[in-house]
Parts: sequence; structure tokens; C-alpha cells
Amino acid sequence: NAGVTQTPKFRILKIGQSMTLQCAQDMNHNYMYWYRQDPGMGLKLIYYSVGAGITDKGEVPNGYNVSRSTTEDFPLRLELAAPSQTSVYFCASIRGQGVSDTQYFGPGTRLTVL
Amino acid sequence: TQLLEQSPQFLSIQEGENLTVYCNSSSVFSSLQWYRQEPGEGPVLLVTVVTGGEVKKLKRLTFQFGDARKDSSLHITAAQPGDTGLYLCAGDGAGTASKLTFGTGTRLQVTL
Repeated sequence: NAGVTQTPKFRILKIGQSMTLQCAQDMNHNYMYWYRQDPGMGLKLIYYSVGAGITDKGEVPNGYNVSRSTTEDFPLRLELAAPSQTSVYFCASIRGQGVSDTQYFGPGTRLTVL
Repeated sequence: TQLLEQSPQFLSIQEGENLTVYCNSSSVFSSLQWYRQEPGEGPVLLVTVVTGGEVKKLKRLTFQFGDARKDSSLHITAAQPGDTGLYLCAGDGAGTASKLTFGTGTRLQVTL
């Protein structure tokens, strides 16, 4: 299993540009999450999904959109990039079957908006 | 909004020393997890504690969940350079689709 994969690894955007951060998992996990991590800080939840076709907002959803058309994929869309969205973005997944489940994280996408 | 405060924020110690990292909140969590994150990588789960007062050991690392399930601690005995990294606690609120609230992080550096 590849686990959780994210692309791209690095990206520089200009203000106002759009992009999609890709996330895929091959563990047949039900729940998937997008977090952002600012330098030296913990992670903050942007959006999450408990299954295909179901998404919901997390703590910091403004400026982002998501979709979950399949169990495997959970892309994150930035429509009008702003400098405040400069961060490292992590995708994660979990089976969703109990409190002892392990949340698996991808390697992250480092985004800079100039 | 649930908040988790970690202390200290930074810790620089020599190999062989002991240390404790604290994770505190005013909210109750159904479980609490500890992660270690290395530069350029995602967090990796170390342990999950579920029951108030629970103590778990992972080699030289000891994790404790507070009786009221609002706080936790991580104690490392005889730290080694390989323990260097960012330690994050994360709380799972009951009935929240396993959404995690992450702490502010403790950056540990262990030198020879």
C-alpha cells in the first residue's frame, strides 16, 4: 500500500491564481481530512469527509473547497490564492471505526503565495 | 472552540536527560493522541490514550491521560538525538467524526 499520497510536493502561486491539491489513499478508509500547518504551529482542520459525496467544514474553511466523488480521492481547491494561504497542507485518512483508529498523514504540500 | 495548549514550546537538552511535555485543555476529549513530526514530513502517531488516568509506555516514552480527560503528558527518559522533532498532542472530541484538535506543538532538540 502507498498509504496517503499528495501532489504536488511544492508549489508557488501568484495572488489570485487557482490550484487543486491532490490527495489519494489506497487503504479503503472512510474518513479523510485536510489540514494546514503554519510554521512552528500545530495543524488546523480545513475540511473533512466521512464518505464519498459527504463533506463538511472544519475550523478554517474560508478560501477553500473540496469534493469527494470517490472513496480514494479528496482534492482541495484554492480558487483565489492569497498570501494568508501560504502554509503546508496535509491530507489524512482514517478507517472511521473507533477511537483507537490511527490517522495516517500524507507527506504534505508546501504552498507559497506571492 | 476546543483548544489544546502545549508546554514548553521549545526544549533543547543533552543526550541522557529526562523531559516532560504537557498538553492542557479546558475541554474534555474522548481520546488524546500524541504525534511526532520530522521536518518535511507528516505527523506520525505515537500513541492513543482513551481512559482517564491511563498510562501507556512506548520504550522510553511514557504517556498519561488526565483523570478528567482534559490533559495529558509525555515523559521521555534518557533522551537520545533520535528523539529530536516536533511533538504534537491532538484531542478527539466525542461524536465529531474523529476530527482532531491539535495542540500548539513542542519542538525538542536533543544534542550529544
